[in-house]
Amino acid sequence: EVQLVESGGGLVQPGGSLRLSCEASGFIFSDYWMGWVRQIPGKGLQYVANIKGDESERYYADSLRGRFTISRDNAKNSVFLQMNSLRVDDTAVYYCTREREFGAHYSDSWGQGTLVTVSS
Amino acid sequence: EILLTQSPATLSLSPGEGATLSCRAGQSFGGYLAWYQQKPGQSPRLLIYDASNRAAGIPARFSGSGSGTDFTLTIGSLEPEDSAVYYCQQRHSWPITFGQGTRLEIK
Repeated sequence: EVQLVESGGGLVQPGGSLRLSCEASGFIFSDYWMGWVRQIPGKGLQYVANIKGDESERYYADSLRGRFTISRDNAKNSVFLQMNSLRVDDTAVYYCTREREFGAHYSDSWGQGTLVTVSS
Repeated sequence: EILLTQSPATLSLSPGEGATLSCRAGQSFGGYLAWYQQKPGQSPRLLIYDASNRAAGIPARFSGSGSGTDFTLTIGSLEPEDSAVYYCQQRHSWPITFGQGTRLEIK
């Protein structure tokens, strides 16, 4: 069974940093792209970033490039999201996703999400 | 950026009825479109990929169609557990975008 467990969310002041982690199990981690999607509470979904299995490619939402960095450790079956210079409007639930390649890559498994609150 | 507009915003139907949810793109692209279902308090779940293929474990009453700028999610014979918000997502080009969602209420 595929499991994705996020951690690292919490309360942080504007301008601060936070590192989210996602530990995966139930599949061969290095074979898959992994991604992050966020959701402002009560609102819609926003794609954040994704990373290829061998880390050779990574992509970001335009508005987040430069502040957010996605990485992974295949030995630990984990993907990370380093978030710097956080803003109030970064407040959201952050979901870790596994991306499976069909015609394109789709998020076929999701974690339970971790809440990031940016507030003074 | 490919803007996705979903309609209607809210849909209220009775069990056994059929539902048709629309996702319209601001520019034409191929079939790299997905539909996700999000029930209250839960994470999203992949329903449909490549516009018309059901994901693993998805009941046959869910079907997707469309190409170009107009895509449709059809749910046949609604059940109470279909109450959720449904999102479309395009994977044709960066930035990857979602529609704003359609809330489906089962009376």
